Amino acid sequence: GEDVEQSLFLSVREGDSSVINCTYTDSSSTYLYWYKQEPGAGLQLLTYIFSNMDMKQDQRLTVLLNKKDKHLSLRIADTQTGDSAIYFCAEKDAGNMLTFGGGTRLMVKP
Amino acid sequence: EPEVTQTPSHQVTQMGQEVILRCVPISNHLYFYWYRQILGQKVEFLVSFYNNEISEKSEIFDDQFSVERPDGSNFTLKIRSTKLEDSAMYFCASSGTLGGEQYFGPGTRLTVT
Repeated sequence: GEDVEQSLFLSVREGDSSVINCTYTDSSSTYLYWYKQEPGAGLQLLTYIFSNMDMKQDQRLTVLLNKKDKHLSLRIADTQTGDSAIYFCAEKDAGNMLTFGGGTRLMVKP
Repeated sequence: EPEVTQTPSHQVTQMGQEVILRCVPISNHLYFYWYRQILGQKVEFLVSFYNNEISEKSEIFDDQFSVERPDGSNFTLKIRSTKLEDSAMYFCASSGTLGGEQYFGPGTRLTVT
């Protein structure tokens, strides 16, 4: 079946940029998403990118997509302590099913 | 801002019992989903639902599971005879269009003892 992989953990200092990486295997992905999960909360949709784009910027968030390598990244500029959370990458194929990565826990140190 | 809500936030049940997890999707959305996340594992798709029928389901969604939209606002997931391995966080999601962004609720933590 399709697979989405992420590194488990990232630690950065407040004010630095964070880059969270994701790889996927489904060559028929149509959209790729980034969700944020804070402790005890649900999955908050942060941003998404259509598969025929290679970059999308949304305020402090920049999504880069390398479709050839099936690699997606999320860059958070000027990372704040409030950005500490688990970040999930997900891909959607031609249907409506999302396939999630295991999540990357971002820790922001003051 | 409209949001998906789920009740209860935590449900404890004994093995073999039936449980119903409830969701209220965003009001003008037409596509509904259930996902689950077993502790320490990935979020997994269970089922999608549109126009009062299942449109897609995963291998996990066997005969023990069913979904229903009993009225104009609720969307439910029923597990007929719970097993220990059904213990997980269950997330409901909805989207306004086919293939549109899916907005998730806060989840129901189901504990089967």
